[in-house]
Parts: sequence; C-alpha cells; structure tokens
Amino acid sequence: NAGVTQTPKFHILKIGQSMTLQCTQDMNHNYMYWYRQDPGMGLKLIYYSVGAGITDKGEVPNGYNVSRSTTEDFPLRLELAAPSQTSVYFCASSYPLRDQETQYFGPGTRLLVL
Amino acid sequence: GENVEQHPSTLSVQEGDSAVIKCTYSDSASNYFPWYKQELGKRPQLIIDIRSNVGEKKDQRIAVTLNKTAKHFSLHITETQPEDSAVYFCAAKYGGATNKLIFGTGTLLAVQP
Repeated sequence: NAGVTQTPKFHILKIGQSMTLQCTQDMNHNYMYWYRQDPGMGLKLIYYSVGAGITDKGEVPNGYNVSRSTTEDFPLRLELAAPSQTSVYFCASSYPLRDQETQYFGPGTRLLVL
Repeated sequence: GENVEQHPSTLSVQEGDSAVIKCTYSDSASNYFPWYKQELGKRPQLIIDIRSNVGEKKDQRIAVTLNKTAKHFSLHITETQPEDSAVYFCAAKYGGATNKLIFGTGTLLAVQP
C-alpha cells in the first residue's frame, strides 16, 4: 500500500490564481480530511468527508472547496489564492469504525502564495 | 467551541532524562486522544493513543495518561534519546462519528546528547 499520497510536493502560486491539491489513499478508508499547518502551529481542519459524495466544513473552510467523487480521491481547490493561504497542507484518512480512528497523513504539499 | 491546550511549547532535556507534555481539552464528549510526532519537514505520525475507558497506556519508553474528570492527558517519554527530538502534537476527537480531531499547538522537544 502506498497509503496517503499528495501532489504536488511544493508549489508557488500568484495572488488571485487558482489550483487544486490532489490527495489519494489506497487503504479503502471512508473518511478523509484536509488540514493546514502554519509555521509553529498545530493542524487546523479545513474540510472533511465521510464518504463519496459527502463533504462538510471544518474549522477554517473559507477560500477552499472540496469534492469527493470516489472513495480514493479527495482534491482540495483553492480559488483566488491569497497570501494568507501560504501554508503546508496535509491530507489524512481513517476508517469509520470505533477503535480504528487513527488518522494517517500524507506527506504534505507546501504552498507559497506571492 | 472545542479547544485543546498544550504545554510546554518547547522542552529541552538531557539524553536519558524523562520528558512530559500535558494537554487539556474542552469537549467532555471526547473519547479518543492520539499523540503525533512530527520530524522536521515530515508528516505527523501516530506514536500512541488512548481511549476514554482507559487511564493509562504504555508502549516501551512512551506512555500516555488520561484524567477524564479533569479533562487532561499527558505524554511521558522515558530514557530520552536524540532521535526523540521532534514536535509532538496532542489531539482530541470531537464531532461524534465523523472522527474529527482538534490538535494542540505542539511541543518542540530537543534532546541534548
């Protein structure tokens, strides 16, 4: 299993541009999550999904959108990028079962908005 | 809203000493508390977790304790080694079946050889 994979690893975006961060997992996990991590800070939940076709907002959803058309993929869309969206973005996945709540993280995407 | 506070923000210990990191949470319905280790430039990785029906859990040099009444939990690392140097995050589950986690702000642990 590759686990959770993310692309790209690093990207520079100009203010006002849009882009999609990709996330794929091969563990057949129903639950998937997007976090952002700012320097010296913890992880903040942007959006999450409990299954294909179902998404919901987390703590910091403004400026982002998601979709979940398959179990494996959970892309994060940034529209009209702003410098405040400069961050490291982590995707994670987990089982929906009690006693199997562990969230497994991808390697992250480092995004710089200039 | 839900909140997790983590202390200290930085911790420096000598190799072989013990390290303790403490967290408090606000949601009394939280029942799952993982700890993640993040090395520089890497992804967070689970090192240990505890559920609310257990007061303590050990895994070799790492242990976690939970006090549900006081709503706090702690990570204990004994016989620290230089490779333990990293940022450690605590988290608490909220939102019921959605398995959402709220994270603390992290503790930078430096183990001096």
